Amino acid sequence: EAQVTQNPRYLITVTGKKLTVTCSQNMNHEYMSWYRQDPGLGLRQIYYSMNVEVTDKGDVPEGYKVSRKEKRNFPLILESPSPNQTSLYFCASSLGGKTEAFFGQGTRLTVV
Amino acid sequence: QQPVQSPQAVILREGEDAVINCSSSKALYSVHWYRQKHGEAPVFLMILLKGGEQKGHEKISASFNEKKQQSSLYLTASQLSYSGTYFCGTGNYGGSQGNLIFGKGTKLSVKP
Repeated sequence: EAQVTQNPRYLITVTGKKLTVTCSQNMNHEYMSWYRQDPGLGLRQIYYSMNVEVTDKGDVPEGYKVSRKEKRNFPLILESPSPNQTSLYFCASSLGGKTEAFFGQGTRLTVV
Repeated sequence: QQPVQSPQAVILREGEDAVINCSSSKALYSVHWYRQKHGEAPVFLMILLKGGEQKGHEKISASFNEKKQQSSLYLTASQLSYSGTYFCGTGNYGGSQGNLIFGKGTKLSVKP
């Protein structure tokens, strides 16, 4: 089954404790992205990747890191999480701008 | 820069029609439409491409005015299952092909 898998689905952590949210797709897609969703603000892009070792900042990259060492994986790293990073996070992948994007199930992160 | 969606919210009775608009300040080569149920991942509805090509569900219709950088999603004879938040995502010239920028969403509620 074609899918994008995020882990964990829910996470509560404390300020400053490094964490990683994993994202994996099994469709051999070149493009992968991370978005955060907050009430009233829609889906805001954090980072995106066009292929292995090729990444670029989205609209809200501050406080986040990504890496793309393998085509299927695109982890999101929060080196020192803060409460303003409490949000619902989505990973997405696609073959390109002319094809649909597939979204993961989402990760609800709470930083206290 | 996020595309602008209007209206922000709309309430319908079953069987009524609605139009959701999406406008960008940048030249577009593609517009994507997704629907999200509360707490779930966005689900693909349609892609509209420069030149008139469309890909998507048979019961959903949309338009793409390339010159005005606008798209509209048409929901006819609405059903209860149409309820959710609708997002447009735009692919811009000058950006990475697979980089989708989403609007803030339009919340649609269909009442019996």
